[in-house]
Amino acid sequence: GIQVEQSPPDLILQEGANSTLRCNFSDSVNNLQWFHQNPWGQLINLFYIPSGTKQNGRLSATTVATERYSLLYISSSQTTDSGVYFCAVGGNYGQNFVFGPGTRLSVLP
Amino acid sequence: KAGVTQTPRYLIKTRGQQVTLSCSPISGHRSVSWYQQTPGQGLQFLFEYFSETQRNKGNFPGRFSGRQFSNSRSEMNVSTLELGDSALYLCASSYWGGAEAFFGQGTRLTVV
Repeated sequence: GIQVEQSPPDLILQEGANSTLRCNFSDSVNNLQWFHQNPWGQLINLFYIPSGTKQNGRLSATTVATERYSLLYISSSQTTDSGVYFCAVGGNYGQNFVFGPGTRLSVLP
Repeated sequence: KAGVTQTPRYLIKTRGQQVTLSCSPISGHRSVSWYQQTPGQGLQFLFEYFSETQRNKGNFPGRFSGRQFSNSRSEMNVSTLELGDSALYLCASSYWGGAEAFFGQGTRLTVV
């Protein structure tokens, strides 16, 4: 099956710094999403981005499907950005995400 | 528009019992999928239902089962609970398999 890797596993930043999170996947996919898991466990949608580039405020994402990777950029980070970020990829049939192990981000004031 | 609703939010069960979790998808969504999250194994796919049919299944034992009703609401059942079943169970809904998926708040199950 599809393998998903995320890097770095842990990231500590000062407030205001920028960061790049990476997601590598091992096969072609028809769905790729980035999520932020809040302290209560809910997965909050950041981007639905099987290919291309999208921006939403301080966050942006790029997926290069042909090279099997996606990047999540966080600019001017805030303490509220802290938490775990997951990349999830879906295969060619149905909604059956394979999740990466996550990147735990800590933004210090 | 209401989001994905999971009930109950928290549950404590005894080893050997069974449990049923419920998931109400976003209105109009026909695909519902379930995931288990544990500290050791991360987020793992359990199964997906689309139009009342199981379309995909993850690598979990037969004690884990589910179903979907005609209104797209889904339930998952775990029989003969084991301590290792303690986890956060998340469900997601989408219009179709490859569309953007939205997750509920989860049910945190503790088996004692």
